[in-house]
Amino acid sequence: NAGVTQTPKFRILKIGQSMTLQCAQDMNHNYMYWYRQDPGMGLKLIYYSVGAGITDKGEVPNGYNVSRSTTEDFPLRLELAAPSQTSVYFCASSKHHETVAKNIQYFGAGTRLSVL
Amino acid sequence: GESVGLHLPTLSVQEGDNSIINCAYSNSASDYFIWYKQESGKGPQFIIDIRSNMDKRQGQRVTVLLNKTVKHLSLQIAATQPGDSAVYFCAESTPLKTSYDKVIFGPGTSLSVIP
Repeated sequence: NAGVTQTPKFRILKIGQSMTLQCAQDMNHNYMYWYRQDPGMGLKLIYYSVGAGITDKGEVPNGYNVSRSTTEDFPLRLELAAPSQTSVYFCASSKHHETVAKNIQYFGAGTRLSVL
Repeated sequence: GESVGLHLPTLSVQEGDNSIINCAYSNSASDYFIWYKQESGKGPQFIIDIRSNMDKRQGQRVTVLLNKTVKHLSLQIAATQPGDSAVYFCAESTPLKTSYDKVIFGPGTSLSVIP
């Protein structure tokens, strides 16, 4: 298993540009998440999904959109990039299970995004 | 409001000593807690977890202690090694009425191991 795969690893955008951060997992996890991590800070939840076709806002959703058409993929879309969106973005997935190791999240390696 | 915080943002430990990283949480309804390790340039990686019906859980060189009375948990690393240098995050999981368990990450503690 590759686990959680994020692409690209690095990206520089100009203000106002758009891009999609890709995330794929091959562990058949039902839950997927997008976080951003600013320098020296913790993780802030942007969006999450509990299954294909179901998404919901997290703590900091403004300026982002997501979709979950399949169990494996959970892309994050930035429509009009702003300098405030300069951050490292992490995708994660978990297998929601009532009795076994619930909510352990498995993270990708991250996408480092700079908006200039 | 709900929060998970760490008492010490940075911690320096001599190689071979034991490390203790602390975490406070405020939601008494949280029933599951997880510690993650994040090495430089990588995503967080699961270390150990504990359910609220336990007060101690041991792994390989790591132990998590949970004190529900004061809403505090700690991560103990025995015989700290240079490879333990990383940022450590605690996270609390709170069951909601929907199928989603809300997970909140703390701000992290940076552990530096002095050779």
